[in-house]
Amino acid sequence: GQNIDQPTEMTATEGAIVQINCTYQTSGFNGLFWYQQHAGEAPTFLSYNVLDGLEEKGRFSSFLSRSKGYSYLLLKELQMKDSASYLCAVGLNTDKLIFGTGTRLQVFP
Amino acid sequence: DADVTQTPRNRITKTGKRIMLECSQTKGHDRMYWYRQDPGLGLRLIYYSFDVKDINKGEISDGYSVSRQAQAKFSLSLESAIPNQTALYFCATSTGDNTEAFFGQGTRLTVV
Repeated sequence: GQNIDQPTEMTATEGAIVQINCTYQTSGFNGLFWYQQHAGEAPTFLSYNVLDGLEEKGRFSSFLSRSKGYSYLLLKELQMKDSASYLCAVGLNTDKLIFGTGTRLQVFP
Repeated sequence: DADVTQTPRNRITKTGKRIMLECSQTKGHDRMYWYRQDPGLGLRLIYYSFDVKDINKGEISDGYSVSRQAQAKFSLSLESAIPNQTALYFCATSTGDNTEAFFGQGTRLTVV
C-alpha cells in the first residue's frame, strides 16, 4: 500500500526557520510535491522534487532522498502569513497524486 | 475568474438525497481529479479522469460516481448521500506527467 507520514502540528516564531519532515513508502514513485493550504482554501503548489537533493525557491526549500523515502520542506524568515497546513504528496507513475495528512504550522509573533 | 471552478461552494442536504457537485476548468488540462478532505485524514482521491473516455477509481470511490461530460467538465455524484460523506470536496486538474495540480476552491458538503 501507499503510506505518507508527516507531523500533525508544529509551532514556530516569526523570523525563525522551520523544517517539516515527510516520510513515504509507495510503489511507483515519480516525484514528491509540497502544497500550502490556508484554512478553508484550496491547496496551492509550492515545490516539486524528482531527483535527490535540495531545491530552493525564495524563502522555501525542499529536499528529497529517494533511497530513504524522505523529504523535508524548509521555511526561512517565517512570516505570520506562513501559518497554514503544508501537504506532502507523492506522484505515482500512474499519474495519481497521493497526499499525506498535512502539517498544521502556527507562526507566533 | 478562477481557472478551476466548483459549484456549489456550500451545500446542506438530507440523508438519502442525490446530489451532484460540478467542476469546470479553463486551463485546457486533460487530467481531472476529485478529492475529499476530512480533518486528520488529509486529501483522499475519489475518482480521476485522464480524458473524456477515461474514468478511474481512486482510494475511496464507494458511494460516489463521476461523469466527464467534456474536457472541461467533471462532475461528482452522490447517489444516496449519507452523513459520513460530510466533507470538503476538491476538484483538481493537471497536464499529467507529474506536473503540479491546480485545485478549485472546494465544496463544503454537509449531509444531515
